[in-house]
Amino acid sequence: EAGVTQFPSHSVIEKGQTVTLRCDPISGHDNLYWYRRVMGKEIKFLLHFVKESKQDESGMPNNRFLAERTGGTYSTLKVQPAELEDSGVYFCASSRTGLDLYEQYFGPGTRLTVT
Amino acid sequence: AQSVTQPDIHITVSEGASLELRCNYSYGATPYLFWYVQSPGQGLQLLLKYFSGDTLVQGIKGFEAEFKRSQSSFNLRKPSVHWSDAAEYFCAVGASGGSYIPTFGRGTSLIVHP
Repeated sequence: EAGVTQFPSHSVIEKGQTVTLRCDPISGHDNLYWYRRVMGKEIKFLLHFVKESKQDESGMPNNRFLAERTGGTYSTLKVQPAELEDSGVYFCASSRTGLDLYEQYFGPGTRLTVT
Repeated sequence: AQSVTQPDIHITVSEGASLELRCNYSYGATPYLFWYVQSPGQGLQLLLKYFSGDTLVQGIKGFEAEFKRSQSSFNLRKPSVHWSDAAEYFCAVGASGGSYIPTFGRGTSLIVHP
């Protein structure tokens, strides 16, 4: 099966601009997650979708971040306006249900640099 | 809330040498424990996981990890490292019976010398 894909792989934007990251989960995975890793630190949870619904968005840092999952398929994460501290690697992951919730498949990440 | 400590930011080993990456966790109940690996340009790949049962867990690529409740540790081991094992390794803990969102450590970068 195809893995989790993310686009773009890299993005460099200026402070104040808008960026949209995309994630395509593994087909049939109802659960989709976004994570972020700031350089040298832990991978931090941002939010979790079950199909098209937000199950948990407790990790979203502020209202400059907006995540959507259209029709329960791919997801986008928009940062508007971007700030310097938003730089990092954004990972997307997906999983099945039940105990398989714990087995998350990760994409390669999008490296975001805000200058 | 759970937490994970990976005390080594970088580890350098020679190809063919044995490897042990340390992971300590903090969680009040029985944890679910994971090791992930991220090779350059790739996503995180699950190496192995512990939910219950045998405390010595076998994973992919010849890795194993041992859950030691008394030491709150879940160290990753490999008897003979290959150059292709050079990557970043992340330990993570999940809350059994609670949130399935794992808490990650900061990662350990493994450098393999020929």
